[in-house]
Amino acid sequence: GAVVSQHPSRVICKSGTSVKIECRSLDFQATTMFWYRQFPKQSLMLMATSNEGSKATYEQGVEKDKFLINHASLTLSTLTVTSAHPEDSSFYICSARSGPEIGELFFGEGSRLTVL
Amino acid sequence: DAKTTQPPSMDCAEGRAANLPCNHSTISGNEYVYWYRQIHSQGPQYIIHGLKNNETNEMASLIITEDRKSSTLILPHATLRDTAVYYCIVRVANRGSTLGRLYFGRGTQLTVWP
Repeated sequence: GAVVSQHPSRVICKSGTSVKIECRSLDFQATTMFWYRQFPKQSLMLMATSNEGSKATYEQGVEKDKFLINHASLTLSTLTVTSAHPEDSSFYICSARSGPEIGELFFGEGSRLTVL
Repeated sequence: DAKTTQPPSMDCAEGRAANLPCNHSTISGNEYVYWYRQIHSQGPQYIIHGLKNNETNEMASLIITEDRKSSTLILPHATLRDTAVYYCIVRVANRGSTLGRLYFGRGTQLTVWP
């Protein structure tokens, strides 16, 4: 199947710094990608929809100035956690569609952020 | 809001069938039932989906009750690698730009033991 890759897989940063996480579709183009967050022992929570060439659509309660999303090309979306704090420590997962069918939705491996 | 209810955990012996239930009593006529699983510290993986007919693929079978208020995911011969959290999701449409907007519930932690 299609492959979605995230980088970095793990990142540790100091409180107050910004961290960028990349989501790439390796063998297909994706006009839409999705970002999720998952706290330990909890379920995935949809954060936002990343749209190529336009602004991201954020879910209710997600701070768009805190979580900056850029989808500058058809194969890359980035999530920047700005001024990170320990409560932002989480597992961040992206997904992308290679086609219109549900079986054509693929998730990345996830990126674990730890803010000290 | 997740519109589904799943048991928090289940166990299954290796080689036996794992039957994972899901209640979705408020499902609408145009909503599909989707199943994903998430192995520890990995992204979710699509398993199967259905509307009202039973479905089978190389990974699993999906049995949907006639009233569509519940369904069961069946892994016919569970292996240790099937240990994961299994999510049952209901949502409208099988296509479209919002397809990736999935709302996950807590899922069922399936543990397959030797």
